[in-house]
Amino acid sequence: KQEVTQIPAALSVPEGENLVLNCSFTDSAIYNLQWFRQDPGKGLTSLLLIQSSQREQTSGRLNASLDKSSGRSTLYIAASQPGDSATYLCAVPLVMDSSYKLIFGSGTRLLVRP
Amino acid sequence: DAGITQSPRHKVTETGTPVTLRCHQTENHRYMYWYRQDPGHGLRLIHYSYGVKDTDKGEVSDGYSVSRSKTEDFLLTLESATSSQTSVYFCAITRQGGSPLHFGNGTRLTVT
Repeated sequence: KQEVTQIPAALSVPEGENLVLNCSFTDSAIYNLQWFRQDPGKGLTSLLLIQSSQREQTSGRLNASLDKSSGRSTLYIAASQPGDSATYLCAVPLVMDSSYKLIFGSGTRLLVRP
Repeated sequence: DAGITQSPRHKVTETGTPVTLRCHQTENHRYMYWYRQDPGHGLRLIHYSYGVKDTDKGEVSDGYSVSRSKTEDFLLTLESATSSQTSVYFCAITRQGGSPLHFGNGTRLTVT
């Protein structure tokens, strides 16, 4: 059974710091891995999707890496800003026949202090 | 916003009452999902659909049913609401396996 874990559950950093969020999964035979951001009272926003054949994806100050063999992904945020404060979740899919459904980690709640 | 509308955005209902939540998409995506999000439990899949009239259960499907009679609409029904179904419900869509998942803004349901 695939399980997705995110540690730490919460993180507080001063503005400007570079930081890394972690995501681990138990079954390395994943199709892809997706990172999301969730602001309070809102739905999830897709940040980055890494296919299983890729090692990393970049979008602006965000860089996500994937190491399937170790069952880990990291989300690197450069030069953090107060506007980056949110909960970050990772998810991997379970794929079977026509079925495609995502299993989510419980998220890391990030606070960037001015 | 990936063209997903959830309605209603907020609802308060009494125990034992049937409730239907609607998810409407304008993207013509194949896959649609209903998740619930609760403190301490994260996001949990209730039901999903991989095409019109093609649906399947997720990990917390008891007490819920779904219907998808056309591509753009995915309905979630609580046949007889219970207090344990108080939650925030999210609809999500994706074009195909391997594409990004996009979420609606959620429906906050309170069962008194």
